Amino acid sequence: ILNVEQSPQSLHVQEGDSTNFTCSFPSSNFYALHWYRWETAKSPEALFVMTLNGDEKKKGRISATLNTKEGYSYLYIKGSQPEDSATYLCAFPIIQGAQKLVFGQGTRLTINP
Amino acid sequence: EAGVAQSPRYKIIEKRQSVAFWCNPISGHATLYWYQQILGQGPKLLIQFQNNGVVDDSQLPKDRFSAERLKGVDSTLKIQPAKLEDSAVYLCASSFPSSYNEQFFGPGTRLTVL
Repeated sequence: ILNVEQSPQSLHVQEGDSTNFTCSFPSSNFYALHWYRWETAKSPEALFVMTLNGDEKKKGRISATLNTKEGYSYLYIKGSQPEDSATYLCAFPIIQGAQKLVFGQGTRLTINP
Repeated sequence: EAGVAQSPRYKIIEKRQSVAFWCNPISGHATLYWYQQILGQGPKLLIQFQNNGVVDDSQLPKDRFSAERLKGVDSTLKIQPAKLEDSAVYLCASSFPSSYNEQFFGPGTRLTVL
């Protein structure tokens, strides 16, 4: 059974502070890792697809890093804003047979004004 | 480009009742997925279609859940009869053939079973 773990499960951060959270995944047979942001009552939105060890991607105030050898990815948010409040999901693609995504349980981020 | 459409957005039913959800994927996307997301857990794949054929339904509780994608475009997921533990958000996603299996999601249907 493939295990994708995210921590922490929930996080409360003061507006303006920076924060980060973790996604752990199997380090063997790595292919890619997806990060999604899911705001309440909206569709999950793709943030990043991480593919190479040492990858670092950035989108505005959000960035992500990848370590495939040890099996983890960090998502960083700099200067949190209320609109960053969402659940952040990572997903590990299975490419053998029926291609599908295995999701972590998510990190629920709340930004306090 | 229009996104993945789902309806209804919210549904409240009593246990043992039936319910159906509808999904219209992005035009041209051959693969369609239904996920169940229970509070505090990540989305769990229920069923995956390639065009109108089922590719993976290993986690679909087949005694009560069914899904179809008759013309290879839109899809319906049904629960009959519903149980309390079926309360969840049901997400539909679609994808085109891509290197990294990027999936595009609809807004989901939040189901509450009383």
